[in-house]
Amino acid sequence: SQTIHQWPATLVQPVGSPLSLECTVEGTSNPNLYWYRQAAGRGLQLLFYSVGIGQISSEVPQNLSASRPQDRQFILSSKKLLLSDSGFYLCAWSWGPSGDQPQHFGDGTRLSIL
Amino acid sequence: AQKVTQAQTEISVVEKEDVTLDCVYETRDTTYYLFWYKQPPSGELVFLIRRNSFDEQNEISGRYSWNFQKSTSSFNFTITASQVVDSAVYFCALSEGNQGGKLIFGQGTELSVKP
Repeated sequence: SQTIHQWPATLVQPVGSPLSLECTVEGTSNPNLYWYRQAAGRGLQLLFYSVGIGQISSEVPQNLSASRPQDRQFILSSKKLLLSDSGFYLCAWSWGPSGDQPQHFGDGTRLSIL
Repeated sequence: AQKVTQAQTEISVVEKEDVTLDCVYETRDTTYYLFWYKQPPSGELVFLIRRNSFDEQNEISGRYSWNFQKSTSSFNFTITASQVVDSAVYFCALSEGNQGGKLIFGQGTELSVKP
């Protein structure tokens, strides 16, 4: 069966510090991978998605970036965090880019910026 | 443009009551997919159901049922005989064909089931 791991579970970082959140998927190959952010207002915003190694699509302009160095690894980064980067970050995977497959989510990372 | 609207921000019911969560969507595509997810207090999103735009057949799974009506662009979710464990935020989401699998989420409905 497929599993998705996301870490760390919680993170407290000062403004201006760097960020690296990691997500890995097990039990499948060539998954679609996604990063979402959920702000306090509850809605989920798609940040990045990837259909293959090295292929990253950005949905919103921001100071975050994503990379996919390996087939089942997706990394969310920032060089300098802003207060507005606080939120709940969720990684997800799905089979295929056609949109008919459900996305399966990790447990999320709660990021607080001080 | 695609959009998902969940007009009910919060719903509170007493255990054993039936409750319906509304979802209205907008899309210009003829091929699309609709999903419901549950987010319990622990935070992870749990996939509940998927429907495609060519299949309007309603579905029942235990105490859960879904009513998909293309004429009104709605995909409503009913919980029968609600239980405290149903307390969560529920999200409706839309995916259009060949868009990289991107999901457009509604703002969610927070359901509180009181004993």
